[in-house]
Amino acid sequence: DAGVIQSPRHEVTEMGQEVTLRCKPISGHNSLFWYRQTMMRGLELLIYFNNNVPIDDSGMPEDRFSAKMPNASFSTLKIQPSEPRDSAVYFCACAWGGDQPQHFGDGTRLSIL
Amino acid sequence: SQQGEEDPQALSIQEGENATMNCSYKTSINNLQWYRQNSGRGLVHLILIRSNEREKHSGRLRVTLDTSKKSSSLLITASRAADTASYFCAGETSGSRLTFGEGTQLTVNP
Repeated sequence: DAGVIQSPRHEVTEMGQEVTLRCKPISGHNSLFWYRQTMMRGLELLIYFNNNVPIDDSGMPEDRFSAKMPNASFSTLKIQPSEPRDSAVYFCACAWGGDQPQHFGDGTRLSIL
Repeated sequence: SQQGEEDPQALSIQEGENATMNCSYKTSINNLQWYRQNSGRGLVHLILIRSNEREKHSGRLRVTLDTSKKSSSLLITASRAADTASYFCAGETSGSRLTFGEGTQLTVNP
């Protein structure tokens, strides 16, 4: 079991550029979550999917953020255009379902200059 | 918004001592989970306690849950230098949604 795989691990880009973060969840886990972690705001849930369908995107900060899950083995989080305040570590996590532990990837450290 | 508040924010102990971390939460939960995060890594699940449970053990970990006080505690016994990490509580509400506390930074000195 390879665990949750996120790419890239680090991304440095200039303000205004499009950023795409990728996640491959554990096979068979039907819930997928995107989180953002900053010193100021801690760990925040951005969006989560159940069986590839977005269930709750109330944590997505604004329209510049979008997430997709085209199939059970892949999800993306896109920021367009990016801004310096988007700098954070973005985590993807998955679970078998409710009332189950979540398994996290090692995150993407994003820096917007 | 943060579901939980953790206490203390930082804890420094000697190897072999016990470490206790506390967590309070605001809304009703289905379960309370504890996670560990080593520097530069993702969160690792430690233990889950359901709302109808009061205490749970896993190895050197002991977790309690008091739903009337909306609080939980994590006890790590006989700590080791490798236990140095940040520890987070998270309450699960409807639909698998987890809301995390601010975390406790634990340092275990050899």
